[in-house]
Amino acid sequence: GAGVSQSPRYKVAKRGQDVALRCDPISGHVSLFWYQQALGQGPEFLTYFQNEAQLDKSGLPSDRFFAERPEGSVSTLKIQRTQQEDSAVYLCASIPPRRLAGGDTQYFGPGTRLTVL
Amino acid sequence: AQSVTQLGSHVSVSEGALVLLRCNYSSSVPPYLFWYVQYPNQGLQLLLKYTTGATLVKGINGFEAEFKKSETSFHLTKPSAHMSDAAEYFCAVRNLYGNKLVFGAGTILRVKS
Repeated sequence: GAGVSQSPRYKVAKRGQDVALRCDPISGHVSLFWYQQALGQGPEFLTYFQNEAQLDKSGLPSDRFFAERPEGSVSTLKIQRTQQEDSAVYLCASIPPRRLAGGDTQYFGPGTRLTVL
Repeated sequence: AQSVTQLGSHVSVSEGALVLLRCNYSSSVPPYLFWYVQYPNQGLQLLLKYTTGATLVKGINGFEAEFKKSETSFHLTKPSAHMSDAAEYFCAVRNLYGNKLVFGAGTILRVKS
């Protein structure tokens, strides 16, 4: 596709429910990032993949958050037993290979707005 | 640890006036610096970036920013504001060796007619 896509765009969950958020990066982009953007704040890093390897998960706020990218393309961010503080926009970004022009720029998807009631 | 401070959560300018959005960063290693714009219900769009070389960087939509190492600043400017510039703007830093972006809290730009 032309850009990074995310689904669903909007998700409402009851507290305690599990959710799964999907990211389709730009074709050929090997690096993929997840960020969490709380209302009125800047995005905050959650985790980073290079191909299928999760190289940095230091930003995941708790063990209820889990991300995977099993085939090195599509990624899923899973949140178990959602809490109200998980309400935020979850952004996905991908980067072209470093050898290409723009290989230091993250291209963002439109985000998934999660509301936990 | 790296951090970004955006002075002013809200900036209001008249159409045709100068836009100045401030960004200061802290980084112990040479930084890569970015400005992104976010329109309502949309993802982040890159405006411009500084990696190496010329410290005055020109971006899309008439925006530019200047990297000033001595001031640890990367302020965003545009000579003449347009109504379509109304959006939220984020400054971000990434170090030379890292991958993740560290963002400021954002500045909402309002353009008055």
